[in-house]
Amino acid sequence: QKEVEQDPGPLSVPEGAIVSLNCTYSNSAFQYFMWYRQYSRKGPELLMYTYSSGNKEDGRFTAQVDKSSKYISLFIRDSQPSDSATYLCAMRPSGTYKYIFGTGTRLKVLA
Amino acid sequence: NAGVTQTPKFRILKIGQSMTLQCTQDMNHNYMYWYRQDPGMGLKLIYYSVGAGITDKGEVPNGYNVSRSTTEDFPLRLELAAPSQTSVYFCASSYPGKGGSYEQYFGPGTRLTVT
Repeated sequence: QKEVEQDPGPLSVPEGAIVSLNCTYSNSAFQYFMWYRQYSRKGPELLMYTYSSGNKEDGRFTAQVDKSSKYISLFIRDSQPSDSATYLCAMRPSGTYKYIFGTGTRLKVLA
Repeated sequence: NAGVTQTPKFRILKIGQSMTLQCTQDMNHNYMYWYRQDPGMGLKLIYYSVGAGITDKGEVPNGYNVSRSTTEDFPLRLELAAPSQTSVYFCASSYPGKGGSYEQYFGPGTRLTVT
């Protein structure tokens, strides 16, 4: 079993839809959770960072962590064609500097 | 502030050739990383460094070497290139940040083909 599982997609939604992207993980020691957005042929860029459990909101983006279920989510409200990209989750335990990345979910927002 | 820069952007190597992928950051970050990204496989950590003179293996180090003589530079060396090393290579740097997040900043990548 992989430490971090992420559905590769592609996920196609109409413009304006609410998008839900998810990752599951097996290591209960993970404490730091990140979401990256990667446009085609570009490097990943950090979108959201969450420590431990709870929700965090930034504009149209909301990150949720449910440690009891070992499940994290990224919600995108009022999705735009410019949100079309691959979204990578990443996580790590305390005491290390190394993140484990999911395989990424490819999102297409149709105009 | 250029962030993390990588050269070259693209390279085609013949089997058995060697090359160095360059990575430089101007953010004074102590932590630097090399990843490879294969289609559908996510990012795999090759090597990382927590400061000048200190490096350590990641998940997939075989066939690669690194050095870290300065805070800014973290070159990745490929010896005896093999087709299995065809991939996109990303360099990243990080700092402790708020609450010890160690959020990573990525370069634009080097697309390498070995034939």
